[in-house]
Amino acid sequence: EAQVTQNPRYLITVTGKKLTVTCSQNMNHEYMSWYRQDPGLGLRQIYYSMNVEVTDKGDVPEGYKVSRKEKRNFPLILESPSPNQTSLYFCASRFLPDRGLGYTFGSGTRLTVV
Amino acid sequence: GQQLNQSPQSMFIQEGEDVSMNCTSSSIFNTWLWYKQDPGEGPVLLIALYKAGELTSNGRLTAQFGITRKDSFLNISASIPSDVGIYFCAGPLISNFGNEKLTFGTGTRLTIIP
Repeated sequence: EAQVTQNPRYLITVTGKKLTVTCSQNMNHEYMSWYRQDPGLGLRQIYYSMNVEVTDKGDVPEGYKVSRKEKRNFPLILESPSPNQTSLYFCASRFLPDRGLGYTFGSGTRLTVV
Repeated sequence: GQQLNQSPQSMFIQEGEDVSMNCTSSSIFNTWLWYKQDPGEGPVLLIALYKAGELTSNGRLTAQFGITRKDSFLNISASIPSDVGIYFCAGPLISNFGNEKLTFGTGTRLTIIP
């Protein structure tokens, strides 16, 4: 089944403790992206990647890092999480030529930083 | 970054009622997308619109691409319990570096009152 898999689904952590949220897709998509969803703000892009070793900032990149060493994986790294990073996170992917279409989203990771 | 404004923010309706929601932007979009997010899941594409004035249906859902290209509308007829969720409009924006970023609206939460 074609899908984007995020892990973990739920995570509670303490301020300052480094964490990684994994994202993996099995559709051979070039483009991958991370979004965070907050009430009243919709989904905002954190980082994106147009292919292996090609990543760039989205609208809200502060406090996050990403890497794209393999096409299928796009982990989101929080080096020193803070409470304002408590949010619902989504990873998405698509084929690069499919502008505006074909985004497949993961099921989300709900992160709480205390 | 660019944000799309949706209204209403939330709706409480009875089963069988029709629903209307809209999305506005200060920028022109060449594509409008409507997504639905079920509780605990990622957004799923419902309808895609590619031309100003276009009216497209998907079952009980009908969406329109505004003539000014700065707005879009979604209607749901004869609502049923499985229509519950959050509806997002979205539009792809191309950055200076060629990144196509999917920009999301603030969302409309639909609740059906028994």
